[in-house]
Amino acid sequence: EIVLTQSPGTLSLSPGERATLSCRASQSVSSSYLAWYQQKPGQAPRLLIYGASSRATGIPDRFSGSGSGTDFTLTISRLEPEDFAVYYCQQYGSSPPVTFGPGTKVDIK
Amino acid sequence: QLQLQESGPGLVKPSETLSLTCTVSGGSISSSSYYWGWIRQPPGKGLEWIGSIYYSGSTYYNPSLKSRVTISVDTSKNQFSLKLSSVTAADTAVYYCARLVFGVVIHFDYWGQGTLVTVSS
Repeated sequence: EIVLTQSPGTLSLSPGERATLSCRASQSVSSSYLAWYQQKPGQAPRLLIYGASSRATGIPDRFSGSGSGTDFTLTISRLEPEDFAVYYCQQYGSSPPVTFGPGTKVDIK
Repeated sequence: QLQLQESGPGLVKPSETLSLTCTVSGGSISSSSYYWGWIRQPPGKGLEWIGSIYYSGSTYYNPSLKSRVTISVDTSKNQFSLKLSSVTAADTAVYYCARLVFGVVIHFDYWGQGTLVTVSS
């Protein structure tokens, strides 16, 4: 089973600051199968990044993804008020084929 | 615009079977590039994948739930369904249905709004 670990658990930042979120896998993950989601309270997750670095339709370019192998990063270049949320990484691979990380909460400092 | 909508009882008694349906609109469930999946989220916790199904009926499940889960598809109604048997309080969660892009890249691109299912007597 591939376990995803996200750090930090909580990131306290101010609007306009840069956010760097980490997702580490217990085994190598294909970049094609690594995605990031944003979830706000009371809402379903929203796809941000797929294939480790491709932005989903309608996602602002302040969101970017990078990484390969076991280390992946989601970067928000300048935090907007609407970006304060929980972020999950997700991989497709070996059994179970789909796993999510525990999430990183980005809150207002 | 593709839309997914979960439906089913919001309250299920312990030891009974949880049953939910996801209705897909704005697109065909029989599209060849997609699987369809169920994901759940206990209150205040993270996301757990339950299982996924192809329009042909091919399924794969989370091994941790496999003994209790059945996912089926009805292409004539553009729906797919989840049954989870022998539920306990630990199965209380918001249940989401979602479309799984399955090809060169694999990810969930469209999600339903989610439905809260509480297991309680």
